[in-house]
Amino acid sequence: AQKITQTQPGMFVQEKEAVTLDCTYDTSDQSYGLFWYKQPSSGEMIFLIYQGSYDEQNATEGRYSLNFQKARKSANLVISASQLGDSAMYFCAMREGLPNTGNQFYFGTGTSLTVIP
Amino acid sequence: GAVVSQHPSRVICKSGTSVKIECRSLDFQATTMFWYRQFPKQSLMLMATSNEGSKATYEQGVEKDKFLINHASLTLSTLTVTSAHPEDSSFYICSARDNSLAVYNEQFFGPGTRLTVL
Repeated sequence: AQKITQTQPGMFVQEKEAVTLDCTYDTSDQSYGLFWYKQPSSGEMIFLIYQGSYDEQNATEGRYSLNFQKARKSANLVISASQLGDSAMYFCAMREGLPNTGNQFYFGTGTSLTVIP
Repeated sequence: GAVVSQHPSRVICKSGTSVKIECRSLDFQATTMFWYRQFPKQSLMLMATSNEGSKATYEQGVEKDKFLINHASLTLSTLTVTSAHPEDSSFYICSARDNSLAVYNEQFFGPGTRLTVL
């Protein structure tokens, strides 16, 4: 089974609108971390936001928020007030086990977001 | 903040030659570095985990004799694609783990190297 599933290959959003990018995960570990990265056409991976499995509150970082629903094993990324510069690929990733243990990341297949002016 | 560099950013080589890609953590020590491969419009696939001073751990299906990894210091890991062929053309990305403290942004990614084998 896939560890990380992103079911939206492509998404479009109007500038200044909010958009939700879906991510579900599969793990039997109690400790894990969930990450979202942005990859523009240049290829660099830009860290956006992190959610730990024991965090009770949803993570927020500026215009990014993570809608963490543990029982449903989902970790959707919400981008508010979309900007043209948000057009990029977005990857959801998971690390099983405790933080900073050097465990590998599992990446989803990504969602290509296009912001329409 | 933690910065990871990769060199070269782009390389074009002839089939049969070997190419070395460097991954450096510039302002932190990285006991562990990861090498990923990404085909166009696809996800990052982990190739191997590189630990300083020991042999790399390769993922299933990755030929260790073809993709040589050397993590000789806490700030440098290299990936050598030996006898490269056109099917090795891809985007190679490294990441480094900052093991100084429990930083939740655990892997810092390099900017990637685009390899084209003619």
